[in-house]
Amino acid sequence: EVQLVQSGAEVKKSGESLKISCKGSGYSFTSYWIGWVRQMPGKGLEWMGIIYPGDSDTRYSPSFQGQVTISADKSISTAYLHWSSLKASDTAMYYCARTMCSTMYCPDDYWGQGTLVTVSS
Amino acid sequence: EIVLTQSPATLSLSPGERATLSCRASQSVSSYLAWYQQKPGQAPRLLIYDTSNRATDVPARFSGSGSGTDFTLTISSLDPEDFAVYYCQQRGSWPLFGPGTKVDIK
Repeated sequence: EVQLVQSGAEVKKSGESLKISCKGSGYSFTSYWIGWVRQMPGKGLEWMGIIYPGDSDTRYSPSFQGQVTISADKSISTAYLHWSSLKASDTAMYYCARTMCSTMYCPDDYWGQGTLVTVSS
Repeated sequence: EIVLTQSPATLSLSPGERATLSCRASQSVSSYLAWYQQKPGQAPRLLIYDTSNRATDVPARFSGSGSGTDFTLTISSLDPEDFAVYYCQQRGSWPLFGPGTKVDIK
């Protein structure tokens, strides 16, 4: 069974760093892209960026380029989303999602349960 | 840059009624259009990909159609579990979501 399990909720202060994780299981982790999606409170879905764990090829939405870093450790089938300096506006639910085929242009068929990040000023 | 517009923003219907949701792109996205359903407190769920293909385990009452810039998600007869927010997504140059349509109970 394909599963994406995300790390738990985080409460941080502005200026702090944070890395959240997404562990894949039940499939070949290196053969599918993993993307990250932001959902701010009461708002819609925003696609942030994507990584191919097989070779760490990473792409970012222009809106998130330079704001976050996406990485992956294929030895433990885990993708990460990292902030070096959080802002209050980073408060949101963050989802990871797997593409349903081996290109980044395929839709996302499996999703993590979400990680709630709360940043206080 | 492609922009996706969804209409209506809210659709108020009763169980058993037909729901028709629209997604319009500012330029052609070919057939690379997907639909997701999101219920409160849950992650999104893929319903339709490549305009008209139902994802695994998606009931047949969900169907997708369209091409180029105009796309439609139809729910033929609303089940109580279908009241949710629906997002379209294009998977062209940069994956992008529309703003969503909320289907609520009339």
